[in-house]
Amino acid sequence: DAGVTQSPTHLIKTRGQQVTLRCSPKSGHDTVSWYQQALGQGPQFIFQYYEEEERQRGNFPDRFSGHQFPNYSSELNVNALLLGDSALYLCASSYRVTQETQYFGPGTRLLVL
Amino acid sequence: AQSVSQHNHHVILSEAASLELGCNYSYGGTVNLFWYVQYPGQHLQLLLKYFSGDPLVKGIKGFEAEFIKSKFSFNLRKPSVQWSDTAEYFCAGLDYGGSQGNLIFGKGTKLSVKP
Repeated sequence: DAGVTQSPTHLIKTRGQQVTLRCSPKSGHDTVSWYQQALGQGPQFIFQYYEEEERQRGNFPDRFSGHQFPNYSSELNVNALLLGDSALYLCASSYRVTQETQYFGPGTRLLVL
Repeated sequence: AQSVSQHNHHVILSEAASLELGCNYSYGGTVNLFWYVQYPGQHLQLLLKYFSGDPLVKGIKGFEAEFIKSKFSFNLRKPSVQWSDTAEYFCAGLDYGGSQGNLIFGKGTKLSVKP
């Protein structure tokens, strides 16, 4: 049973560029949430996708956008990258019931120069 | 605003010492709490969770946590730590602000266990 997978594992970009991160949820899961974990901090919620729609959004600017595909996989896009966007981006999946545990992927480490 | 706080930034223990990591939450309504662990170079893994029922929750690897509603606390405990418990520990609460829940994390506590 495959867990949550994310690609790429590492990424280096320069300021102003755009980046796309990808996530495949755990088998049987239909909800994907994205989190940003800055160095030395706990993960912060970016947004959540269910039935191909953004259902909830944290306190992140519109430069952060996402998409969910019919197979439940998801993308996180960040436009006009800033140095402060350097972080570990985590994807978590769960089943639709809100009390279900979220399972995390290994993350994509993004460095913006 | 709903929040989860962890007061210990870095805890250093010797093997066989007892562990207690503090976690406090500040929101009402339905309270669902978690402890996650992040071993060096690995992804976040669930240690234990509290949804309802017995406030003493047992998790993997000998960890347990006690939900004390009157103190808004959900402290993590282990009677005897091992070197392999060296990791970062995150307390989190489930926020039901939308149709689905999203996790609110504390800032984490780094645990270093000396052999």
